Order: sequence, then C-alpha cells, then structure tokens
Amino acid sequence: DIQMTQSPSSLSASVGDRVTITCRASQSISSSLNWYQQKPGKAPNLLIYAASSLQSGVPSRFSGSGSGTDFTLTISSLQPEDFATYYCQQSHITITFGQGTRLDIK
Amino acid sequence: QVQLQESGPGLVKPSETLSLTCTVSGGSISSYYWSWIRQPPGKGLEWIGYIYYSGSTNYNPSLKSRVTISVDTSKNQFSLKLNSVTAADTAVFYCARTIRRYHYYMDVWGKGTTVTVSS
Repeated sequence: DIQMTQSPSSLSASVGDRVTITCRASQSISSSLNWYQQKPGKAPNLLIYAASSLQSGVPSRFSGSGSGTDFTLTISSLQPEDFATYYCQQSHITITFGQGTRLDIK
Repeated sequence: QVQLQESGPGLVKPSETLSLTCTVSGGSISSYYWSWIRQPPGKGLEWIGYIYYSGSTNYNPSLKSRVTISVDTSKNQFSLKLNSVTAADTAVFYCARTIRRYHYYMDVWGKGTTVTVSS
C-alpha cells in the first residue's frame, strides 16, 4: 500500500494569509495526486487533479505542485469560505487518501 | 449537470450485509468509472472500490474480501454490498463519479448517506 502523510494535521490562519499544505507519499506516485476540500457535513469537493491542474470552477487562489513523493497545495490569499479540511489522494496504485489537514480561523 | 444520490438502510445489524445504491441523474452512467468512499465519524476518507460501466471492478485490498460493487446501466445505478459488518463499518458512505485520465480522481460526489451498524 502507498501511505499518504499530510502535514500539518491542523493549522490556524487568518483571512488573507498564504497557506501551504504538504502531502508526502511513501513511494513515488509520479503526478497521480489530487486535492479535495471538505466542509463539515458536506461531501468532498475536487480542487486539484494530476498534482497541478485546477478543476473547473475552482478559484485561482488554489494551486498545486509537486511530483514523485512530495506535493503541496497552496492557497494564495485565504478567504472566509476556505476554512475546511483538505485531503490529498493518490491513484498510482489503487486509491488512498491522506489523513486530512484541518484549516481553521486564527 | 450530473448528480448522484445514495440510498439504502441507515441501520444495519452486526454480521449482516450493508447494501447501498447510487442513482445517477443528469447524465449517463456509461463511459465512466464510479466509486464508493466512506468516512467514519470524525475520521478521514477511505476508498472502498470502483466499477466501470462495463462491469469491471477494483477494490481496496483491505476490504476486498467483503465488498461487491455492481452496476445496472438500464437504471443508471450502481450498488455497494459490504458483508459481515461490524461497528467499525459505521460511516457516511459517498458515491462519486471517477475520472480516469492516466490516473483516477473523483469529480462529482453524492451528498452521502449515514449507515450505523448496531443491534
């Protein structure tokens, strides 16, 4: 199994901050990495696929980068609606998710 | 646009079989992969498996012995069966459209349905 480890597990930030979340794979997964946002009581929402491709309709303040084992999700300027939990997901070998990063208001 | 809706019993007894159906509306089930994902209370996401509209499947190795996913293209539905359930299977279950483009990602999700395993 490929293990996905996100860091940090939680963080506090303010509106307007630049935020980076990291996802590390236990082995190389090329660019088979996606990012989702989940708000309480709601289904996850796809933000980024193939490591750096922005899903249609997702604001451009979200961006993704990385390949191999190390990936990042960056939010360039936090908006109030961005406070949520973020998950990475690999599909290089089967499909596994990271444990999630909870982003809340400082 | 495509919408997904999960349906099925909200309460299942231990050792019995959990059965859920996902109905696809606003589009065809054909030419896509379709996944089931679950989320235990207060925990993260776990992929259960996916099915192609033609019927080929791929399951999470940790659940493979207990899972069956099937598709009914005439009804635009796909289904999940998880047998021999325990309290550890209590979760919100999501169905999702799954895109295969060199790799896999879930671009449309249902709202989720809560299943509790309890006697």
